[in-house]
Amino acid sequence: DAKTTQPTSMDCAEGRAANLPCNHSTISGNEYVYWYRQIHSQGPQYIIHGLKNNETNEMASLIITEDRKSSTLILPHATLRDTAVYYCIVGGVNAGGTSYGKLTFGQGTILTVHP
Amino acid sequence: NAGVTQTPKFRILKIGQSMTLQCTQDMNHNYMYWYRQDPGMGLKLIYYSVGAGITDKGEVPNGYNVSRSTTEDFPLRLELAAPSQTSVYFCASSYSGLGEEETQYFGPGTRLLVL
Repeated sequence: DAKTTQPTSMDCAEGRAANLPCNHSTISGNEYVYWYRQIHSQGPQYIIHGLKNNETNEMASLIITEDRKSSTLILPHATLRDTAVYYCIVGGVNAGGTSYGKLTFGQGTILTVHP
Repeated sequence: NAGVTQTPKFRILKIGQSMTLQCTQDMNHNYMYWYRQDPGMGLKLIYYSVGAGITDKGEVPNGYNVSRSTTEDFPLRLELAAPSQTSVYFCASSYSGLGEEETQYFGPGTRLLVL
């Protein structure tokens, strides 16, 4: 699986958009970009995923660059409850052409939303 | 649906004791996973299963055993508890391990303290 690089921490004002970057320069053509978050002491929560196109759901938007080497998770109107650790993960098909769904969780980005 | 449930929520073990962490999912998912998370760190995969009767090692399997006799249940066994196994354990499941269907759903976790 490709490795990802994220900033250690970010701050955001409540009501503003939070833009969380992720670099995944070694991503292969059939690997997806996944975003999860973990609110203190809870299990990780799925947010969104994408392959090539930008994606949007009720929680967030995912912008993937054309070369797929980086992406940005956008929380359009951050609230205090969005304070969490956000994980950018690349996963999908391994070299053998099959996948067992392994997600490699790095350190993630600690997002703090301020009043 | 209850999703992924884990029991117990918290447990204190003495060195050398054994215990089983329970995990059940009611989403008819084929894939199930066990992760551990040490303080301030990301999640590390212990074992995973792609279906009933099939299990395989993840990144940190030493000191643990698993079984998968049914689709719903994936218990994690600690045979001889050691202080290094003090951690929070998360169980997760996904429909499959392929691309779009890799989204993993996590349980609330089991906090284990080995003294």
